[in-house]
Amino acid sequence: GAVVSQHPSWVICKSGTSVKIECRSLDFQATTMFWYRQFPKQSLMLMATSNEGSKATYEQGVEKDKFLINHASLTLSTLTVTSAHPEDSSFYICSAIRRGRRTDTQYFGPGTRLTVL
Amino acid sequence: AQSVTQPDIHITVSEGASLELRCNYSYGATPYLFWYVQSPGQGLQLLLKYFSGDTLVQGIKGFEAEFKRSQSSFNLRKPSVHWSDAAEYFCAVGDGGSSNTGKLIFGQGTTLQVKP
Repeated sequence: GAVVSQHPSWVICKSGTSVKIECRSLDFQATTMFWYRQFPKQSLMLMATSNEGSKATYEQGVEKDKFLINHASLTLSTLTVTSAHPEDSSFYICSAIRRGRRTDTQYFGPGTRLTVL
Repeated sequence: AQSVTQPDIHITVSEGASLELRCNYSYGATPYLFWYVQSPGQGLQLLLKYFSGDTLVQGIKGFEAEFKRSQSSFNLRKPSVHWSDAAEYFCAVGDGGSSNTGKLIFGQGTTLQVKP
């Protein structure tokens, strides 16, 4: 079946540094990817829609300058957490839409756990 | 705005017993509804989805869900739970109105524990 990967699976960084998380669709092309954030024992919150070749669309309340999204190719979207702070520590999950002739299917990556010290 | 509520944060059932996980949504028209399962170290896996048609939807791993418009519910059921079903379950509604844009609004999740 279709696979979406994320790299790294976990990362620890110091406060003030930037961290880049990659989301790849391994066996299909995805013009649309999504980035979610999940706090411990809580639900997934949609952060932004990543569109290949154009600017990302951010959800209300998400700082676009803090969470930079680049969808440079049909199989790769990156999320960069800039000037990370402890409150940015979370589980970040991406998903990719595989367009089908009759229906579209969304596949989720395994997530990236970010810890900011 | 659409919203999803999963009233049960944590449920424990015995292996072999039946299971029902509740999900209520808030949306004016017919929504796109989904159930996902999340296991540690793995991505969310789609169990089943409802777009239109038959209100009883069959999914993978023996799960089914029934869309009840009058109750704004989309409860997940399984007649006999296996120990491997222990995981976090999320109900979600599509945030695209009448079109499936892929944007999802998730419920708070229900943690399922299975007793031997």
